[in-house]
This record gives sequence, C-alpha cells and structure tokens, in this order.
Amino acid sequence: AQKVTQAQTEISVVEKEDVTLDCVYETRDTTYYLFWYKQPPSGELVFLIRRNSFDEQNEISGRYSWNFQKSTSSFNFTITASQVVDSAVYFCVGRMDSSYKLIFGSGTRLLVRP
Amino acid sequence: DTEVTQTPKHLVMGMTNKKSLKCEQHMGHRAMYWYKQKAKKPPELMFVYSYEKLSINESVPSRFSPECPNSSLLNLHLHALQPEDSALYLCASSQDPGRETQYFGPGTRLLVL
Repeated sequence: AQKVTQAQTEISVVEKEDVTLDCVYETRDTTYYLFWYKQPPSGELVFLIRRNSFDEQNEISGRYSWNFQKSTSSFNFTITASQVVDSAVYFCVGRMDSSYKLIFGSGTRLLVRP
Repeated sequence: DTEVTQTPKHLVMGMTNKKSLKCEQHMGHRAMYWYKQKAKKPPELMFVYSYEKLSINESVPSRFSPECPNSSLLNLHLHALQPEDSALYLCASSQDPGRETQYFGPGTRLLVL
C-alpha cells in the first residue's frame, strides 16, 4: 500500500515556540518523492520542499527544517520560533515512481497563538 | 516565477447554470491538473492534461468538462452541478506529468445553490 500518514490533526502553540509536524509514509517503490505544502486560510497550496528518495540530506531554510529518515519512513517538518503567520494546514505529500498521482496526508492544522 | 493564476476567486451558481473556471500559467509547464478539495479534507485529483491532451480522468461526472485551449490555459466547464459539488477547485501545473513538483493556484471557491 502507498500511504502518507499525518497523525497530528491539530496543533496549537504559542508564538516563538518550536513545533514539529510528523509525517510517515509507506511505499514499496525504491524511488519516490516527498513534499510539504502549506495551505493558509486563503486556500492556495504553497510548495515548501521536495525530497527525492535517493537524497536523505536534511534541509534548513530559515526557520523551517526537514528531517528525512528512510530507516523510519519519516519526513518530519520543524518550525523554529513559530509566528502567527505560520498558522495554516500543512500537508505532507508523496509521489511514487510507479504512479502519476500525489498521495496526500490528511493534513495537520497548526494554530500559532500570539 | 512559480505562479499559477485562477479566476474567479469565488463563484456562486444555481444547479441549472453553466459556468467556467479558468487557470493560467506562464512557466512553460506541459502538465496541468484540476483538483477538488472539500472542507477539512486534502485535495482530490480530477483531471490531468499532458501536452494539451487529457491523459487522466479520475472518473469525474460528466457535468465537469475540462478543456485545454493551449499550453498555458486550462478551463473547467461546469453544467448542472449539485450542491455537493460545492468545494475549493484548485489548478496546478508541473514541468511534465512525471517526477516534477506541482505548483498550485489560489483556487476558486464554488458554491452551488
């Protein structure tokens, strides 16, 4: 089965706290692609990052960092010093090499309170 | 520039109306997509166009009719919709329908009365 699981339905933090959004994926493909998208209340899905299965290097972009671990089939996303503007629904998404379709996790709603 | 534009932003229509949603990208992408997203759910794929030809129809009812007039434009024609079709309709594009990242537009919020 090919599946992306985001177990956290909703997270609420106070501004400046660090927060980690979990993502676990299942696939039998050896080549696959993982993404994170942000969906603010306006509705647009904003692309944040893409990782290929053959590239396990972690990445940091400003306050955002991603931890890709094939050993645990996880692709977690951490926001450091969260801000109110980070409030959104975040989707972890997978695409397997054997399929054209994006496989969306159920999304994690992040609320950052001032 | 990774911009996909969609018009209109909001649309209210009756069940007997005919309307169209429009999507445009100028990134030279050769694959374009329509998604439907219900509240508190992830997007669901409806159609895929590859090099201006319909390559995937995810068993979407015929009251939704896609059209790709050229490589930059994608339309979704709506006719005789039902209230349960009310949703956010998202357009996306990618360099090709294979391994490339999909970039999404802001969506059209559709309400069917």
